[in-house]
Amino acid sequence: NAGVTQTPKFQVLKTGQSMTLQCAQDMNHEYMSWYRQDPGMGLRLIHYSVGAGITDQGEVPNGYNVSRSTTEDFPLRLLSAAPSQTSVYFCASSRTGGPYKQYFGPGTRLTVT
Amino acid sequence: GESVGLHLPTLSVQEGDNSIINCAYSNSASDYFIWYKQESGKGPQFIIDIRSNMDKRQGQRVTVLLNKTVKHLSLQIAATQPGDSAVYFCAETPSSGNTGKLIFGQGTTLQVKP
Repeated sequence: NAGVTQTPKFQVLKTGQSMTLQCAQDMNHEYMSWYRQDPGMGLRLIHYSVGAGITDQGEVPNGYNVSRSTTEDFPLRLLSAAPSQTSVYFCASSRTGGPYKQYFGPGTRLTVT
Repeated sequence: GESVGLHLPTLSVQEGDNSIINCAYSNSASDYFIWYKQESGKGPQFIIDIRSNMDKRQGQRVTVLLNKTVKHLSLQIAATQPGDSAVYFCAETPSSGNTGKLIFGQGTTLQVKP
């Protein structure tokens, strides 16, 4: 199993550009989520999904869109990049029943200039 | 609201000593508490979890203690090794249902001195 994969690993965007961060998992997990991690801020939940066709907002959803058309994939779209979105982005997946052992991807480091 | 916090941002220990990382939580209704380890440049990695109906759970070189009276969670690492140097996060399940959603604390950096 590859686990949780994320692409790209690094990305530089100009303000106003849009892009999609890709996330895929091969563990047949129902639950998938996106976090951003800023220095000293821990992990903040952006969006999450409890199954195909179902998404919901987390703590910091503004400026981001998600969709979940399959169990495996959960892309995160930045609509119009802003410097405040410079961060490291992590995707995670787990089963929906406890225990809540979330598996994380390696992260995408995004810089918006 | 729900929040999870850690008592100290950085903990420095000597190699071979035991480490204790603390966490305070606010949600009495949380079902699970989980510890994650994040090494530099990597995603967080699950270490151990404990259900709210337990006080203690042991893994390999790690022990998690849960004190529901004072809403306190701790991670004890025995015989700390250089490979234990990382940021440690506690997390809890929110009270809003069985979705898999977690709330993470800020993190404690563990530095192991040789």
